[in-house]
Amino acid sequence: GQNIDQPTEMTATEGAIVQINCTYQTSGFNGLFWYQQHAGEAPTFLSYNVLDGLEEKGRFSSFLSRSKGYSYLLLKELQMKDSASYLCAVRDPPAGGGNKLTFGTGTQLKVEL
Amino acid sequence: DGGITQSPKYLFRKEGQNVTLSCEQNLNHDAMYWYRQDPGQGLRLIYYSQIVNDFQKGDIAEGYSVSREKKESFPLTVTSAQKNPTAFYLCASRGEGYTFGSGTRLTVV
Repeated sequence: GQNIDQPTEMTATEGAIVQINCTYQTSGFNGLFWYQQHAGEAPTFLSYNVLDGLEEKGRFSSFLSRSKGYSYLLLKELQMKDSASYLCAVRDPPAGGGNKLTFGTGTQLKVEL
Repeated sequence: DGGITQSPKYLFRKEGQNVTLSCEQNLNHDAMYWYRQDPGQGLRLIYYSQIVNDFQKGDIAEGYSVSREKKESFPLTVTSAQKNPTAFYLCASRGEGYTFGSGTRLTVV
């Protein structure tokens, strides 16, 4: 099975940078996803890492270290609209795992003025 | 435009009644998934289907049932055996990435 840990809440200031960490212990690994979710809405895709290193996409970057079971999501130039829950999810391998996503409990980010 | 449609957005049922949540996709995806989300929690997998006429239990399948008679459709039935059915239910399908529906909020009174 999969065990995924994220901080429950974080608070940051508009214009600043915030790093949201995710650690995982898994029986199989086929990539790590980050999603943004506003309350009562569907998760929206932010990033995907399957190899070690940093993936950058505009104001968002995500890092993965498979040997350490660790990822982070970096949000730069924070805006008020970035206030949301950020979900870390690990994908099972296709064989026997069905490419299922297992989610962490999410990190509720509050951006303040 | 292709996507996933979940209906209805809000659903109210009396305790002891079965209820079926609809999930339809026109993305031509083989794999579909049902997740449940409780307040302040992440998503937990209920059932998934990798191909038509086949499905597997997820982590919290007790009290739920599904069918996959058509590629486009993966309905979820919440039965009276589910002890705490009030939750936000999300359907997803998998192509290169995962596409989520807008969810159904089920309240059982």
